Amino acid sequence: ETGVTQTPRHLVMGMTNKKSLKCEQHLGHNAMYWYKQSAKKPLELMFVYNFKEQTENNSVPSRFSPECPNSSHLFLHLHTLQPEDSALYLCASSQEGGTGAYGYTFGSGTRLTVV
Amino acid sequence: AQSVSQHNHHVILSEAASLELGCNYSYGGTVNLFWYVQYPGQHLQLLLKYFSGDPLVKGIKGFEAEFIKSKFSFNLRKPSVQWSDTAEYFCAVRNSGYALNFGKGTSLLVTP
Repeated sequence: ETGVTQTPRHLVMGMTNKKSLKCEQHLGHNAMYWYKQSAKKPLELMFVYNFKEQTENNSVPSRFSPECPNSSHLFLHLHTLQPEDSALYLCASSQEGGTGAYGYTFGSGTRLTVV
Repeated sequence: AQSVSQHNHHVILSEAASLELGCNYSYGGTVNLFWYVQYPGQHLQLLLKYFSGDPLVKGIKGFEAEFIKSKFSFNLRKPSVQWSDTAEYFCAVRNSGYALNFGKGTSLLVTP
């Protein structure tokens, strides 16, 4: 385990369903991120939260809705998704501030299939 | 547009061969540079990072990378690869804010 836990590991959902992805970090970090990893494409940044406040929304469609109730938990609420949204969704955390000399710690991801 | 380019999408090497994976970025100003590795079925792991100081950075598992500012490059190297190095390798750059911007990745297959 990396200290960043994502659940579920796999999710299959219909286009009319509503589901949520969960991420929890046990590292005391103050920033959390959602990335989308699709085949043959770079990892795409979706959302950034710093101290529970959203600091970036990278032009993500509104069918993806993030929630950060505290600095340890991050959710991604999904509704009316499209088949092209099928991908691996990765959560990451980092400790920001000071020299900024930190990298990310990633979770194992949720493999989402939209049918 | 700001971008991270990894030139080699698929690399196949025999064990004990030397490895060099290219990474170029187009950001100006101060950058933080990273290489991540993703072994089959596993999460992304940090191999090494550069923030300042010595441009030759040593990471885990015998990997190193050299930051060449004039070439906007941060190439990953390993003198002798092993079968267990089979994985996908991602270069990432951060120049402002908190976001890491990734390249498309290079898939490395090491054959016995």
